[in-house]
Amino acid sequence: ELKVEQNPLFLSMQEGKNYTIYCNYSTTSDRLYWYRQDPGKSLESLFVLLSNGAVKQEGRLMASLDTKARLSTLHITAAVHDLSATYFCAGDTGTYKYIFGTGTRLKVLA
Amino acid sequence: DTGVSQNPRHKITKRGQNVTFRCDPISEHNRLYWYRQTLGQGPEFLTYFQNEAQLEKSRLLSDRFSAERPKGSFSTLEIQRTEQGDSAMYLCASSPTARGGGEKLFFGSGTQLSVL
Repeated sequence: ELKVEQNPLFLSMQEGKNYTIYCNYSTTSDRLYWYRQDPGKSLESLFVLLSNGAVKQEGRLMASLDTKARLSTLHITAAVHDLSATYFCAGDTGTYKYIFGTGTRLKVLA
Repeated sequence: DTGVSQNPRHKITKRGQNVTFRCDPISEHNRLYWYRQTLGQGPEFLTYFQNEAQLEKSRLLSDRFSAERPKGSFSTLEIQRTEQGDSAMYLCASSPTARGGGEKLFFGSGTQLSVL
């Protein structure tokens, strides 16, 4: 059964700093997804990574996938307060069943 | 608005009562998912449908939970004889079928269930 782990679980960072969130998964998952959730809101898709070596960027966020290492990263560049949210990665079991990690709660301090 | 719609937004019930939630997916999406989320946790997979067929159900889901998607349109999730441990946010999501896979999920706002 696919298991997805994220670290760190909590991240408090200063505006303008860079940081990386890590997502490890336990079995073969060729596709990896990142979502964002604001407090009291539902999840919003950020990135879909479909193959080994895939890299996607949107604004200050960049996601990558290494299927051999079973690792995806979400890199934050020059953080701003608006990026404060909980970020989830999710793996695909291959049968269109998506398993989510426990999330990384990010707080960007002014 | 053509997003995923869930009703009700909030449900308070007494232990032992039955509850039913409804989800209306984005109209052209043929996959529909139910997840459960508790505070500080990620969404936990419950079940999913492709059109009207229920293709997979979590082994963690007791037989008190049942979901339907008649005619492949809206879906309902029923919980019978609710327990306090059922208190959670119930999220519905839908996705299209993309060639090669990799469809992202579009989530509704959820139904917050509180069992007293």
